Amino acid sequence: DVKVTQSSRYLVKRTGEKVFLECVQDMDHENMFWYRQDPGLGLRLIYFSYDVKMKEKGDIPEGYSVSREKKERFSLILESASTNQTSMYLCASIGGLGQPQHFGDGTRLSIL
Amino acid sequence: EDKVVQSPLSLVVHEGDTVTLNCSYEVTNFRSLLWYKQEKKAPTFLFMLTSSGIEKKSGRLSSILDKKELFSILNITATQTGDSAIYLCAVEVNNDMRFGAGTRLTVKP
Repeated sequence: DVKVTQSSRYLVKRTGEKVFLECVQDMDHENMFWYRQDPGLGLRLIYFSYDVKMKEKGDIPEGYSVSREKKERFSLILESASTNQTSMYLCASIGGLGQPQHFGDGTRLSIL
Repeated sequence: EDKVVQSPLSLVVHEGDTVTLNCSYEVTNFRSLLWYKQEKKAPTFLFMLTSSGIEKKSGRLSSILDKKELFSILNITATQTGDSAIYLCAVEVNNDMRFGAGTRLTVKP
């Protein structure tokens, strides 16, 4: 069974801090995604990656960057955290087109 | 711009009721439509639909896609309190997914 693991369930940081959210999958999937989930807005795509060192912007990349140095790991970076980045962050991976995404449990991030 | 719209956004029913959740979409290069159930943690996969008119069924849950009218419905019969969750609709477009806002279903005993 595919396992997508996010490093933290809950995280509290301060405005201006650099924040790292880590995601690891164990099924050798090529495609990985970062979403944020906000009430009434659903899941919005921040960035995705279809291979090591490759990345593509999603719908709301501003204020975020990503890193994919190894196939199994996809990191989301908040360069200088702001309060409007308080949200639930979900990581997902997919084995290929036509397959469902597998999600991590999410990181609930609060920026104070 | 690709759009996925779910309705209603929120629904409260009593155990034993039947519910219908709606998902309409306007996207370019449609590949498939997926339904997920999200309780407190990760969304879990329910159904993937690619062809019109073919019902997918799993226990009390069923779903169907209409590619002409660009919508899908998710039916839950004889609801139970364990069905309380957010139900997410997603449309696969090229290399990524477009998600709706979700329907929050609450089933009261």
